[in-house]
Formats: sequence, structure tokens, C-alpha cells
Amino acid sequence: DIQMTQSPSSVSASVGDRVTISCRASQGISSWLAWYQQKPGKPPKLLIFAASILQSGVPSRFSGSGSGTDFTLTISGLQPEDFATYYCQQANSFPHTFGQGTKLEIK
Amino acid sequence: QVQLVESGGGVVQPGRSLRLSCAASGFTFISYGMHWVRQAPGKGLEWVAVISYDGSDTYYGDSVKGRFSISRDNSKSMLYLQMDSLIAEDTAVYYCAKGRTSTTSCSDLWGQGTLVTVSS
Repeated sequence: DIQMTQSPSSVSASVGDRVTISCRASQGISSWLAWYQQKPGKPPKLLIFAASILQSGVPSRFSGSGSGTDFTLTISGLQPEDFATYYCQQANSFPHTFGQGTKLEIK
Repeated sequence: QVQLVESGGGVVQPGRSLRLSCAASGFTFISYGMHWVRQAPGKGLEWVAVISYDGSDTYYGDSVKGRFSISRDNSKSMLYLQMDSLIAEDTAVYYCAKGRTSTTSCSDLWGQGTLVTVSS
């Protein structure tokens, strides 16, 4: 199985800041990577698929990059509604494993 | 309205069975692979299973293989998860999720989840 490792596990930031979250796959997954946002008590919401393509309706302050084993989610100009937990997921092979999550907290 | 609605969760004793259902509406159900994903209380997301658009292919996570079975009824736009030999570690919120494209894809639509508690 492919293991997905996110870093950091948690990060504190202020409104307006730029934040970067990393995700590393234990083996190459091409661009088969998605990013999700989850708020407490709610289901995950797809932000980015194919490593860098923004899902319809997602603000352009979210961006993704990477291929192979190393990926990044960047949020430019944090808004209050962005404080949540973020997960990466590989869709290259089964099982479609998730990273352990990164909690983005208000500083 | 495009949505997924799960049902069937509850409290069940270890070793017993439970069947979850997911009702899809607002999109062409037969065109997409469908997934189950779970989240234990206070923990991260765990991918559970997927079924292809026509039900011909299924894949499972290692922790549920041999105990859980995913199925679908395209005539009713319904997805199911049969869970047998339940253990305490299966306690979680179970989400039904639509594949963005084919069986091998991320999920672009999620239900609100149904809670399964395995306890004596």
C-alpha cells in the first residue's frame, strides 16, 4: 500500500498569511493526488484534484503543485473560513490512502 | 438537488452485522464509481471501499477486506456497505462519496455520514 505523509501535523497562522502544507507519497503516484478541507462535524470538501486542478467553486487562493512523490497545498491570503483540517489522498492505486491530516489553527 | 444521504448506522455488538445504505440523487448515478470512507472519533479519514459504475469491480482497504462488502443498485441509485464480524475498531462515521470520474478517482461529492458504534 502507498503511505501518505503530511507535514506539519498542525500549523498556526493569521488571517492574511500564506500557508503551505506538504504531502509525500511512499512511492510515485504521478499526479493522482487530491486535497480536501474538513471542518468539525462536516464531511470533507474536495479542493484540488490531479495535484493542481482547482475544483469548481473553490476560491483561487487555494493552489496545488507537485508530481511523483512530493506535493504541496498553498493557501494565499488566509480567510477566517479557511481554518480547518486538510487531507491529501492518492488515487493512483488501491487502497486510496489519505494523509493523516494537517490542522490549520488561528494564531 | 445533488446529494448523497447515508442511513443504517447505529449501535451494534462486536461480532454482529450491519448494512449501511446511501441514496443518491441529482446526478447520473450509473456513470460514476462510488466509495465508502470512514472516520473514527477524533481521527483522520480512512478509505474503506470502492465499486465501479456497473458494479463489476470492487476494492477494499486492508482493515475491512473479507469482512465488508460494497454493492450498488443502479435502478434505485443506491449504494450499500454490508459490514460483518464487526469489531470495536470499526466504530466511526461512515461517509458515502461519489467518484469524480471513474473507479480510480478522488471524490467530489460526500454525504453527511452515518455513525456506527460497535460496543457491547
